[in-house]
Amino acid sequence: EVQLVESGGGLVQPGGSVRLSCVVSGFTFSNYWMSWVRQAPGKGLEWLTNIEGDGSRISYVDSVKGRFTISRDNAKNSLYLQMNYLKSEDTAVYYCARDNIWARDFWGQGTLVTVSS
Amino acid sequence: QSALTQPASVSGSPGQSITISCTGTTSDIGAYNYVSWHQQYPGKAPKLIIYEVANRPSGISDRFSGSKSGNTASLTISGLQAEDEADYYCSSFRSNGNWVFGGGTKLTVL
Repeated sequence: EVQLVESGGGLVQPGGSVRLSCVVSGFTFSNYWMSWVRQAPGKGLEWLTNIEGDGSRISYVDSVKGRFTISRDNAKNSLYLQMNYLKSEDTAVYYCARDNIWARDFWGQGTLVTVSS
Repeated sequence: QSALTQPASVSGSPGQSITISCTGTTSDIGAYNYVSWHQQYPGKAPKLIIYEVANRPSGISDRFSGSKSGNTASLTISGLQAEDEADYYCSSFRSNGNWVFGGGTKLTVL
């Protein structure tokens, strides 16, 4: 059974940093691109970034470029999102998702990041 | 980077069919057959229901179907059921190598 479990969310002050983790199981992690997608309260989905299976290729949406960094550790079946210089508009539920068949076919349950003083 | 355009809401009665549109540009929907649709219930993670414009993952009802014409993709749900009441999001690959979602459509089953 494919499972993705995010962690690391919480309350962060503006300008602060947080690192999200996503541990996966049930598939060969290194064979898949992985994405981070967020959803602000009451709003729609926003794709943020993805990373190739071996980490060699990475893409970012402009709104997080230079502030967020995606990475992975295939030995630990783990995906990460380092988020720096956080703003109130970064408040959202952050989902990790597996990229497959040119879509995100499996999603985690999400972790809430609240940016507030 | 603008989102794809979806109607904010649609509604239909049980047994009816509804269609949700998703309009993009020649750089995304118009350029690639990499359109997907997700269903999301309140407080839950999105679930993939259509990929590559018109394909259904295993276990997804054939009441869900997808299509594309030019820069617009569509999701049709036939034989509406109460359990179909949810938010629906389209997504497409873009020529800059990124992915983009639509703003989402709230489906109400009357």
